[in-house]
Formats: sequence, structure tokens, C-alpha cells
Amino acid sequence: EAGVVQSPRYKIIEKKQPVAFWCNPISGHNTLYWYRQNLGQGPELLIRYENEEAVDDSQLPKDRFSAERLKGVDSTLKIQPAELGDSAVYLCASSPGLLGYTFGSGTRLTVV
Amino acid sequence: KNEVEQSPQNLTAQEGEFITINCSYSVGISALHWLQQHPGGGIVSLFMLSSGKKKHGRLIATINIQEKHSSLHITASHPRDSAVYICAVGGGADGLTFGKGTHLIIQP
Repeated sequence: EAGVVQSPRYKIIEKKQPVAFWCNPISGHNTLYWYRQNLGQGPELLIRYENEEAVDDSQLPKDRFSAERLKGVDSTLKIQPAELGDSAVYLCASSPGLLGYTFGSGTRLTVV
Repeated sequence: KNEVEQSPQNLTAQEGEFITINCSYSVGISALHWLQQHPGGGIVSLFMLSSGKKKHGRLIATINIQEKHSSLHITASHPRDSAVYICAVGGGADGLTFGKGTHLIIQP
């Protein structure tokens, strides 16, 4: 069974440019999470989806960040425009219900 | 909100040594996770615990619910064990709360 697939693995962009990350969760996992992990810190939740509904986006900086999960499967996370402080690893995870998380490999974003 | 503290933050040991990483949390939980993160950023789930002890190969995880404490042990450590080990608690509607991680280096 394929795990959680994220792309790209690495991305370097100039500040003020847009960037998008893509996540394909494990088939049948209704819950999808986007986390941001700054250097030396644990991941922090940005948004959680139950199927196609964003049920917790309280930590998502909505002025520049947006996310969608069309048809309750794949998800994209977008930043527009990117700032230097957005440099981090962006992790996607999915779970079939309340527990049992599977994480993707992450996208390492560098904003220069 | 649950507070998750890990110790030590950094640990360097020689190959073959017995390794212990500790995790404490402030609020009662339904489950605790031990995760392994390699330099590329990807996270692998090692254990999910709600009580007692679990063992997988050279890895052992224990949890004491009353004391709100968990430990991850590595026996006969090897350089390939070098990684960041992250403790995370909770799950479900509240999602996971992560510790800052323990950066482990095993030297040959």
C-alpha cells in the first residue's frame, strides 16, 4: 500500500512568489492534516479536514495561506505571497479516524 | 492545551549504547505516539501507546498514564538510528500536540 505522498520534496522560491504543495493521502483515510514544522520545533497543525470539510483551520494564516481538499481525497496547500518566515517543512498526514496517523515525507520550503 | 516536554533535546552516544528518551505531558490523553524523523523531513510512526509497553525490534516504548510520562528506549544503538525522535500526544478531534523532538546522533 502506498503511503501518504507529498510533492514536491523540496522547493526554493523568492519571497512574494506563490507556492503550492500537494498531498495524496492513504486511500480510505477520511481525515487529512497539514502541519508546519519550523527548524528545531515540533510540527504545528495548520488545518484538518474531515473528508472535504475543513473542520479546524484556526491556525492557518488566512491572509496568505489557503487549502482545499476537493472530493475529499487529494489536498493542496497554497501560500501567496510567500514570506521569508514561511521557510519550513510542510507535512501532510492522514488517518482513518481518530487515531493511527501516517505522515508523508514532507515538503521543505526555502524562501529567499 | 497539552504541553509536551521531551528530554534530552540533544543526545550523542556511541554505537551499542542503550538509549533512553523521555516525554512528559500535562493533560491526560487517549494515546501517545513516538515518531522518527530523518534529515529529509519525512516522519515515520514508531509506536502508538495508550498503556503499558510495546516492543519492535530494538525499540521499546513505555507509558505511565498516572505519571503522564513515556520513554522510548533503543537497545544496541546503531548509527542508522541517528534521527530526531518526536513524542506526540492526543489525536482525534484535537489532533496531535508534538514535543520539540530529541536529536539523536549515534557515533560509530
